Amino acid sequence: DTAVSQTPKYLVTQMGNDKSIKCEQNLGHDTMYWYKQDSKKFLKIMFSYNNKELIINETVPNRFSPKSPDKAHLNLHINSLELGDSAVYFCASSQESYWTYTEAFFGQGTRLTVV
Amino acid sequence: RKEVEQDPGPFNVPEGATVAFNCTYSNSASQSFFWYRQDCRKEPKLLMSVYSSGNEDGRFTAQLNRASQYISLLIRDSKLSDSATYLCVVTAREGGGSYIPTFGRGTSLIVHP
Repeated sequence: DTAVSQTPKYLVTQMGNDKSIKCEQNLGHDTMYWYKQDSKKFLKIMFSYNNKELIINETVPNRFSPKSPDKAHLNLHINSLELGDSAVYFCASSQESYWTYTEAFFGQGTRLTVV
Repeated sequence: RKEVEQDPGPFNVPEGATVAFNCTYSNSASQSFFWYRQDCRKEPKLLMSVYSSGNEDGRFTAQLNRASQYISLLIRDSKLSDSATYLCVVTAREGGGSYIPTFGRGTSLIVHP
């Protein structure tokens, strides 16, 4: 069974559309994250949730809205997509909110292309 | 945002070689340190945590130098399968809030026959 799973794996959409990416983890972890990896391979944290509560909210456009219906799920909704949103989005989870001495597991990534 | 710096490489080495990567961090209050490996078009996976006393896992050795604010990764007897991007990760609590993990840009390693 996949520990952290994201859907879809690939997403091609037009500018201005609204899209969602779903993430689920079956590891029983308390904390989940969204990361963005751009074309230069730089992996940057966007959001972090601990037990459904937002604990990290980096400077991202408010077109990006995370939602955590329960601690095993963290979805990412993006409104009014722009060309610059094209990237690979990774979901991850870890056992503790402070990620100290704790391994983080990543999903396989969602490759978003905005045309 | 405090920085984590890595030489992007690529490091091009023959099989059997020993190769070392360094990663420097600017936040002296950083608490936890990790090396991750990322294969092309795949997700990052933990390679090893880095402890103050240093640690070894088979052919891989990680070291932490808090005084100079860098961590290192040494790979001995390189294999073709070691070809990947190695990401340095540093976590620190910022502004009294949550710990935030910061990734370096990664160092690319290519092992050739």
